[in-house]
Amino acid sequence: QKEVEQNSGPLSVPEGAIASLNCTYSDRGSQSFFWYRQYSGKSPELIMFIYSNGDKEDGRFTAQLNKASQYVSLLIRDSQPSDSATYLCAVKGIVLNSGYSTLTFGKGTMLLVSP
Amino acid sequence: ETGVTQTPRHLVMGMTNKKSLKCEQHLGHNAMYWYKQSAKKPLELMFVYNFKEQTENNSVPSRFSPECPNSSHLFLHLHTLQPEDSALYLCASSQDLTTGYSGNTIYFGEGSWLTVV
Repeated sequence: QKEVEQNSGPLSVPEGAIASLNCTYSDRGSQSFFWYRQYSGKSPELIMFIYSNGDKEDGRFTAQLNKASQYVSLLIRDSQPSDSATYLCAVKGIVLNSGYSTLTFGKGTMLLVSP
Repeated sequence: ETGVTQTPRHLVMGMTNKKSLKCEQHLGHNAMYWYKQSAKKPLELMFVYNFKEQTENNSVPSRFSPECPNSSHLFLHLHTLQPEDSALYLCASSQDLTTGYSGNTIYFGEGSWLTVV
């Protein structure tokens, strides 16, 4: 059973702080890692992805990947109240019964940014 | 504006009704997906189609019946549903995730809110 684990939260941070969201995965063969944001009542939207060890920055967002530790994280700098949402970690791997890859989603971490 | 459109956005149906959810993707993708998301619960993968062929059925009850006539369209036919089937149903599409660019990923439609009464 391939799993993606996230703390459900909520993670509460004050406006302007750095929010750190974490995700671990069980399948060592996982290839790419994605972060989605989902506002309440809305569909998930892609924030960014990473596939190489290290850091990848995109604006206020930084994704970090450590394949040896099977750990991926998302840092949000200068957090804003509009960042309050559920953040989903998704891992691309192999679907055994079909041979096709798909994404396995974590349960998501709720982030609350207070003004 | 999303490249994946779903209709209807909201649906209320009785337990004896038959209805369908429709999804269309304008992104040139070759894989399509149905997900279910109940209130305050995580995403549940229901069905996957790759190149119009169903490649995943995640033990979904037969009262949910998918149809994929071509790579751009996906339907979810609903009949004799139960109140616990009330949820947000999300359609998504992607390029084939097995080969190609590492960044290929899933893009979601805005969802269809289903209420079964």
